[in-house]
Amino acid sequence: AQSVTQPDIHITVSEGASLELRCNYSYGATPYLFWYVQSPGQGLQLLLKYFSGDTLVQGIKGFEAEFKRSQSSFNLRKPSVHWSDAAEYFCAVGDGNQFYFGTGTSLTVIP
Amino acid sequence: DAGITQSPRYKITETGRQVTLMCHQTWSHSYMFWYRQDLGHGLRLIYYSAAADITDKGEVPDGYVVSRSKTENFPLTLESATRSQTSVYFCASSDATVMNTEAFFGQGTRLTVV
Repeated sequence: AQSVTQPDIHITVSEGASLELRCNYSYGATPYLFWYVQSPGQGLQLLLKYFSGDTLVQGIKGFEAEFKRSQSSFNLRKPSVHWSDAAEYFCAVGDGNQFYFGTGTSLTVIP
Repeated sequence: DAGITQSPRYKITETGRQVTLMCHQTWSHSYMFWYRQDLGHGLRLIYYSAAADITDKGEVPDGYVVSRSKTENFPLTLESATRSQTSVYFCASSDATVMNTEAFFGQGTRLTVV
């Protein structure tokens, strides 16, 4: 069965520091992977997605993610975090028109 | 405005009452979903619909009813609300004509059952 694990419930980083959010998936075929961001009181906004091809994908707001099949991972990165990046981040795997979400990682940014 | 809208944004109801959460999308996406978001559980699928008049259960369907008479609307009804149904509910849609496209989310409805 498809599943997504986000091992870090909460992460705190200083503004300007680099960020990496972890995501591991379980999926029998070629995965279709997504990262969403949820700002407080808002819905989920797509940051980036991976379907095939280049394993390093670029997204909005300066985020990128790398697909590593051997590690079943799709970690999200940003070289320099801004205070406005404080939010909840969700990794998801797609299976046709079904979506399976991780439990999320809450990001706090310290000035 | 184009997009996916949920109403109401906030709702307080009493235990045992029936409550309906509305979801409307303007893209004519064939797939629509209802999720609930709870701390420690992330997003859990309640029901989904592949097209008008086609609905199916997700991971946590008990206590909920859905209908989809029109492509653009996908209401979620709690027939007899319980405190355990206090949650944030998200409606989403996706375009089945685009292979493995993403889901597009509404702003959410925060439901409190007292």
